[in-house]
Amino acid sequence: DAGITQSPRHKVTETGTPVTLRCHQTENHRYMYWYRQDPGHGLRLIHYSYGVKDTDKGEVSDGYSVSRSKTEDFLLTLESATSSQTSVYFCAISVPGSYEQYFGPGTRLTVT
Amino acid sequence: SQQGEEDPQALSIQEGENATMNCSYKTSINNLQWYRQNSGRGLVHLILIRSNEREKHSGRLRVTLDTSKKSSSLLITASRAADTASYFCATAASSGSARQLTFGSGTQLTVLP
Repeated sequence: DAGITQSPRHKVTETGTPVTLRCHQTENHRYMYWYRQDPGHGLRLIHYSYGVKDTDKGEVSDGYSVSRSKTEDFLLTLESATSSQTSVYFCAISVPGSYEQYFGPGTRLTVT
Repeated sequence: SQQGEEDPQALSIQEGENATMNCSYKTSINNLQWYRQNSGRGLVHLILIRSNEREKHSGRLRVTLDTSKKSSSLLITASRAADTASYFCATAASSGSARQLTFGSGTQLTVLP
């Protein structure tokens, strides 16, 4: 998994509660991404980061925020979780000089 | 909206046979990539083909790209049971950041022993 860890790996939460997912990399790569994966939709980009404190929105950013205060950590926050945010969330990195992405193991989030 | 769409959605073959999956996309691209995902795992990068390339090989994988038809195909030769997985194409648009990928919905490949 290219030195990428995600925590927690599984979480069940109630509608309206805040949730933060963490992505940690050991290689200090500049580019990091958050995706969600839902049946029939493949992966969709939520937010991405190209450096500390440099982030931008992806295709499905509504209801999500991110923060990157250290190179190695990229946090995804659901301020007030909704059932439509039940999904599997993947973090990814890309390395300098390459467009390939390397993915973490994923976090399965269930919002009840 | 999704850039890449794979076809077929599901494919079942016998071990030793070849598997071909297709991907169509809508806008001009910088590169197209193929990824594999085993059940319950993250995606693994397989191969990248740039917009100025027409064919690329990596081991038992062969990828073709036809930019005039906005399509790509992934061929896995002499398939093995371990190739059972979902396969996704992902495109990087030629405008904007080539590091932003748009994924298709995937082809589920089952290789029967």
